[in-house]
Amino acid sequence: SIVMTQTPKFLLVSAGDRVTITCKASQSVSNDVAWYQQKPGQSPKLLIYYASNRYTGVPDRFTGSGYGTDFTFTISTVQAEDLAVYFCQQDYSSPPTFGGGTKLEIK
Amino acid sequence: QIQLVQSGPELKKPGETVKISCKASGYTFTNYGMNWVKQAPGKGLKWMGWINTYTGEPTYADDFKGRFAFSLETSASTAYLQINNLKNEDTATYFCAREGITTAFAYWGQGTLVTVSA
Repeated sequence: SIVMTQTPKFLLVSAGDRVTITCKASQSVSNDVAWYQQKPGQSPKLLIYYASNRYTGVPDRFTGSGYGTDFTFTISTVQAEDLAVYFCQQDYSSPPTFGGGTKLEIK
Repeated sequence: QIQLVQSGPELKKPGETVKISCKASGYTFTNYGMNWVKQAPGKGLKWMGWINTYTGEPTYADDFKGRFAFSLETSASTAYLQINNLKNEDTATYFCAREGITTAFAYWGQGTLVTVSA
């Protein structure tokens, strides 16, 4: 299985800050990477697919980039409502695998 | 709109069996496979496998072969996850999830918490 190594595990930021999360795949996954947001007590929500495409209704402060093995997810200006855990996922090959998650907390 | 609605929380003893349901609405059920994802308390997401809703053929991830079974009630647009011989480590929230316009999981159920405790 492809391992997705996500860093950092935890971020403590202030509203208005810029946040960057990275995911490194154990082998090339082309651009088959998605990013999800999971707020406390909720199911995951798709934010980004094919590495850089924003899903329907997702605010443009969320962006993704990358290809091959290295991927980046950015929140340009963090808002209080962005408190959540963020996961990357590869769906290049089966089984689809997730990164370990990044917990974002707001000061 | 597309919805996946799961059954409620379950409290079971080790060795028992649980069956979770995921009722789909807002689309043609047999046009999209249904995936199952496990999330242990405070942990990440793990794909368990999927079921082809047109043929009924299940595919299990390696860690979920043996005690786990996916099934369908197509007439009711419902997918099921059954876990036999429950163990403490099966304590988790289980999600059903469906792909969208890509292979990413665009639609998720609300999750079903299964607690296994003597």
